[in-house]
Amino acid sequence: EAGVAQSPRYKIIEKRQSVAFWCNPISGHATLYWYQQILGQGPKLLIQFQNNGVVDDSQLPKDRFSAERLKGVDSTLKIQPAKLEDSAVYLCASSPTSNQPQHFGDGTRLSIL
Amino acid sequence: AQTVTQSQPEMSVQEAETVTLSCTYDTSENNYYLFWYKQPPSRQMILVIRQEAYKQQNATENRFSVNFQKAAKSFSLKISDSQLGDTAMYFCAFMKRTGGGADGLTFGKGTHLIIQP
Repeated sequence: EAGVAQSPRYKIIEKRQSVAFWCNPISGHATLYWYQQILGQGPKLLIQFQNNGVVDDSQLPKDRFSAERLKGVDSTLKIQPAKLEDSAVYLCASSPTSNQPQHFGDGTRLSIL
Repeated sequence: AQTVTQSQPEMSVQEAETVTLSCTYDTSENNYYLFWYKQPPSRQMILVIRQEAYKQQNATENRFSVNFQKAAKSFSLKISDSQLGDTAMYFCAFMKRTGGGADGLTFGKGTHLIIQP
């Protein structure tokens, strides 16, 4: 079984630029999550999808962050414009249903200059 | 809102020893899951063990076991016969059960476990 795929693995941008991350969940997994992990902290949930619908985006900074999950499979997370405090690892996870263990990708490390 | 507290930023033990990582949580919910995840330098979060709150029996997975004290809101992880490959960040996490499913995970700040040869 292929795992959760994320790209790119690393990204360096300047503040006020835009950036996008991509996630391909495990085949058949209906639930998809994006987490932000700032250095030295545990991951924080940004958004949860069930198929192509948003279940929870209460911690997503909607003035600059957006996410979509087209056709209930792949997902993209975008930041526009980026701030210095957005430097973090962005983790994508998926699960067959929301009450089953989540499988994580390797994450994208974002550095803002 | 739920909170998860891991009070040990770093722990170091010798190979083959037993080590216990602490975790406490705060919630008003009655139906939830608790997890321990391992994160090596490769960054991928790997599920170590899972506990369902309604189960009184403590979960075990080979060398890993938990001590779940629901009334005290405590959920510690014991690693027996520790191995060099156990060196990693360990995160305790909480997940609330909802109607037909569950919320996302709420993580603690993590404990950096170092296994010395």
